[in-house]
Amino acid sequence: KQEVTQIPAALSVPEGENLVLNCSFTDSAIYNLQWFRQDPGKGLTSLLLIQSSQREQTSGRLNASLDKSSGRSTLYIAASQPGDSATYLCAVINQGAQKLVFGQGTRLTINP
Amino acid sequence: GAGVSQSPSNKVTEKGKDVELRCDPISGHTALYWYRQSLGQGLEFLIYFQGNSAPDKSGLPSDRFSAERTGGSVSTLTIQRTQQEDSAVYLCASRYGLNTEAFFGQGTRLTVV
Repeated sequence: KQEVTQIPAALSVPEGENLVLNCSFTDSAIYNLQWFRQDPGKGLTSLLLIQSSQREQTSGRLNASLDKSSGRSTLYIAASQPGDSATYLCAVINQGAQKLVFGQGTRLTINP
Repeated sequence: GAGVSQSPSNKVTEKGKDVELRCDPISGHTALYWYRQSLGQGLEFLIYFQGNSAPDKSGLPSDRFSAERTGGSVSTLTIQRTQQEDSAVYLCASRYGLNTEAFFGQGTRLTVV
């Protein structure tokens, strides 16, 4: 059974810092991994999708990496801003299954 | 449409009543998912549709929960005889194919009183 873990559960940093969020998964037989953000009381917003054959994806100040063999992904946020404050979730889709399996998320606070 | 649309956005119902939650996926998206998120908790998988069929309904909590999808588009999640523990935000997502992004709606906040 696939299990996804995100560490830390919460993170608070001053504005302008670069930071890394971590995601690990137990079964490396995945199709892809997707990062989302969730603002309080809202749905999920897709940030980046990494295919299993890819090593990283970039979108603006965000860079996500994937090391499938070790079951790890990181989301790097450059030059953090208060508007980046949200909960960040990673999710994987296993080969042979179709559902997204989510981690519990990292609640990020960027202090002005 | 431009995104995944869910209705209603909020629903308050009395314990024991039936409720229907609706999801309009992005046009052309063949895969559709329902998840549930209780207050302060993670996302709990409920059911997955590919077209009109549901190859994975393993997450439905009890036989009070059912879902259908018609015309490969709109999906309805029905909860019969609602209980207070059903109170949560119900989220719907759709995707075009296995290796494409999943997009979520804004959710339906269900409160059972």
